[in-house]
Amino acid sequence: GAVVSQHPSWVICKSGTSVKIECRSLDFQATTMFWYRQFPKQSLMLMATSNEGSKATYEQGVEKDKFLINHASLTLSTLTVTSAHPEDSSFYICSARVPEASGAGEQFFGPGTRLTVL
Amino acid sequence: SQKIEQNSEALNIQEGKTATLTCNYTNYSPAYLQWYRQDPGRGPVFLLLIRENEKEKRKERLKVTFDTTLKQSLFHITASQPADSATYLCARTSGTYKYIFGTGTRLKVLA
Repeated sequence: GAVVSQHPSWVICKSGTSVKIECRSLDFQATTMFWYRQFPKQSLMLMATSNEGSKATYEQGVEKDKFLINHASLTLSTLTVTSAHPEDSSFYICSARVPEASGAGEQFFGPGTRLTVL
Repeated sequence: SQKIEQNSEALNIQEGKTATLTCNYTNYSPAYLQWYRQDPGRGPVFLLLIRENEKEKRKERLKVTFDTTLKQSLFHITASQPADSATYLCARTSGTYKYIFGTGTRLKVLA
């Protein structure tokens, strides 16, 4: 299957700093990528849909100025958590959609990034 | 709102038995349902996709069914092994490409 990578795999930062997480599709071009966050023993919650060359679409309740998304190329999307606070500590996962002729399109996930804000 | 529920938070079964996980959805039928496996501290791994016009899909020891009347999908692992222990997530489509995930079922296969 398609491979999606994330970098870094984990990061610890001080409160008030900004953290950038990269998501790359390694062997395919992804016009659409998704960013999720996951708290312990909970499911994935979609934060935003990232479209190459256009603005991201954020889910209700997600602050776009807090979570900046840039999808600069067909293989790279970045999520920047600005002025991070302890409550932003979570597991952040990206996925990339592989288009299918029928429209189904499977999503392939990155390995996730564990963010800990002190 | 569109919801998707996985009834069992955890399921323990004996090695060699068939594990059956349930996924129920509300409101209108999604065009597709997907099942993923997630290990602790890792991203989900795609397993199977089933379309609303497909009743059953198989892949090796895995089988997924889609019952639009019951608004339910069942996920089966036959001849289960301890290595199958993980959290299994189902996801429904919402809109064009977005997915809504269930809370997952933690499967533990006992040796």
